[in-house]
Parts: sequence; structure tokens; C-alpha cells
Amino acid sequence: QSVLTQPPSVSEAPRQRVTISCSGSSSNIGNNAVNWYQQLPGKAPKLLIYYDDLLPSGVSDRFSGSKSGTSASLAISGLQSEDEADYYCAAWDDSLNGSYVFGTGTKVTVL
Amino acid sequence: QLQLQESGPGLVKPSETLSLTCTVSGGSISSSSYYWGWIRQPPGKGLEWIGSIYYSGSTYYNPSLKSRVTISVDTSKNQFSLKLSSVTAADTAVYYCARLSITMVRGVICWFDPWGQGTLVTVSS
Repeated sequence: QSVLTQPPSVSEAPRQRVTISCSGSSSNIGNNAVNWYQQLPGKAPKLLIYYDDLLPSGVSDRFSGSKSGTSASLAISGLQSEDEADYYCAAWDDSLNGSYVFGTGTKVTVL
Repeated sequence: QLQLQESGPGLVKPSETLSLTCTVSGGSISSSSYYWGWIRQPPGKGLEWIGSIYYSGSTYYNPSLKSRVTISVDTSKNQFSLKLSSVTAADTAVYYCARLSITMVRGVICWFDPWGQGTLVTVSS
């Protein structure tokens, strides 16, 4: 059972903007950096955002991350059909001697 | 360009031990900047961190799996391995290996990148 909660799904039309929320606690998001991963159908996850709001080289700037308190968000602007994927937030959790926890995952559908 | 590749049996019998190896190419597993980890994903479900290891052998394990998991490293082969004992059908999943970047600046900053392509392990008699 994940300690980071995300909406199961979000959908929007092409060229629009979507936001995915990730809710945690003081032992994870509240104290440590948040990352976001994109998982295209049938593929391995790919790092999308690290250290709350940083983009790895090669990731489109249509993706952006933010964090406030014990919650984080991923925004996708100018939505494209190739953005249709599962998205996971993740962070280190300080409880129980430390562990890396993933969010429940959000399926993004481009209408 | 760093690449990771999982290998091991695709079918394991219940109560037996699942064994996988991750081979790292394009870089050294002995780099002081990184840990190495295993993550799994049951069919149709989300991601679950299994554990991570440093080249020195220092490990972190998911508390919910700790009693059954052993992760080891072989620096001479640039590989690290996963053993999961007493498996059941609930351990059926795609298993990924990945590099973990980790640092501490007012909290833990860590992320997995890159990932291997993953390997499906089915637990069935």
C-alpha cells in the first residue's frame, strides 16, 4: 500500500494543460525531494522530474514539477498524444529506517 | 551511455527463491556517486521499490520485503543481484533494475535513472 496518493486518472484534450497531484506526509514529501516518472505503455519507467522541479536532459519543458508542504504536482502543458502514459511520483521516506516510496500512479488520457 | 540489463529465470515455483542479475554497461558500478536498485511492478499495478545497494555492499531494503530479500554486488563483473525467497503468486511481476542517484541537502534527494528494460518473473507451479 503506497504512502503517496495520486488520482487514478486524468484526461484532457490535446494542447490543453493537466495537473497531477501527489499527496504525502512529513516523513516523505515534507522532508525529502520528489521525483516523477513517466511510463509509456509496455515500457520501463523514465525519469521525468527530479529534486522537485528539475528536468533531466532531453525531457520536454512542457513538463514541470512543484512542491508545497507535503504535496507535489506535475503539470503537462500543450498536451500531446504521446503524453498518454502512467505517471508516478516518488520520494524517500524517513520512517522505518528509510525506504523509497512510489505514488499510486495516474493514467493520463489524451481525448 | 549507461545501460542496465536484467537477466534470470522467467518462471519460478512457489516457495522457491527468485534470482535475478543486473549487468551494468557503459559505466562502473563502483562509482562513489551512486547506489543501485531493484523495483518491481505486478501486472496492471504500480511500482514497488525492493531495495538498493552501494558498491561497498551497504544495503537498504523495503521493510515489507526485508525478511525475504538479499541484494548483493559483484564489482568484478559490474553486476548486482537480487534474491527473493519463499515466493508466492503475489511476487509475480516485472522486475526492473536501475541506478540510484542519492545526496543529502536538507533532506534526502534521490532518483532512479536510467532503468533497465525489465524482466517478467512468473511464480507458478
